[in-house]
Amino acid sequence: EVLLVQSGEEVKKPGESLKISCKGSGYRFGSYWIGWVRQRPGKGLEWMGMIFPGDSDTRFSPSFRGQVTISADKSLTTAYLQWSSLKASDSAIYYCAKIREGYSDPFDSWGQGTRVTVSS
Amino acid sequence: EIVMTQSPATLSVSPGERATLSCWASQSITTNLAWYQQRPGQAPRLLIFGASTRATGIPVRFSGSGSGTEFTLTIDNLQPDDLAIYYCQQYNRWPPYSFGQGTKLEIK
Repeated sequence: EVLLVQSGEEVKKPGESLKISCKGSGYRFGSYWIGWVRQRPGKGLEWMGMIFPGDSDTRFSPSFRGQVTISADKSLTTAYLQWSSLKASDSAIYYCAKIREGYSDPFDSWGQGTRVTVSS
Repeated sequence: EIVMTQSPATLSVSPGERATLSCWASQSITTNLAWYQQRPGQAPRLLIFGASTRATGIPVRFSGSGSGTEFTLTIDNLQPDDLAIYYCQQYNRWPPYSFGQGTKLEIK
């Protein structure tokens, strides 16, 4: 069974840094793209970017390029989403999700989400 | 960027009835279209990919159709636990693999 388990809820202040994680199991972690999706409170889903853990090839939505860093450690079967300086507008639930096969495919398994609250 | 538009924003249907949800793409995406279900407080779940192929474990009550720019998700014999927001997503051209804004399905 494919499982994606995300790190726990975070409460941060504006300007702080943050790295959240997504640990995959039950499949060949290095062979499938993993993406990140943002969901602001009461809003829809926003596709942020994705990484191929096998070689760390990374693609970003223009809206998120330069705003976050996506990385992965194949040996730990874990992907990461990172901010260097958080803003209040980064408050959201962040989901990681495995892409079904090739990079041009939907998400077939999702993590449970990590809630990030940024407030002074 | 391909813009995905869903209609209606909210749909109210009685148990046992049929729900029909629509999704349009701003340009042709052939059949590179997925539907997701997000129940309250839960992560999204893949229902349909390739516009019409049910994902593993999805009941036959859920069906998808369409190609090009117009797509439909049909839910037959509506059940109470179908209460959710349904999103379409194109994965024909990135970045990004954009989502629609969602249709909230209410059970009368």
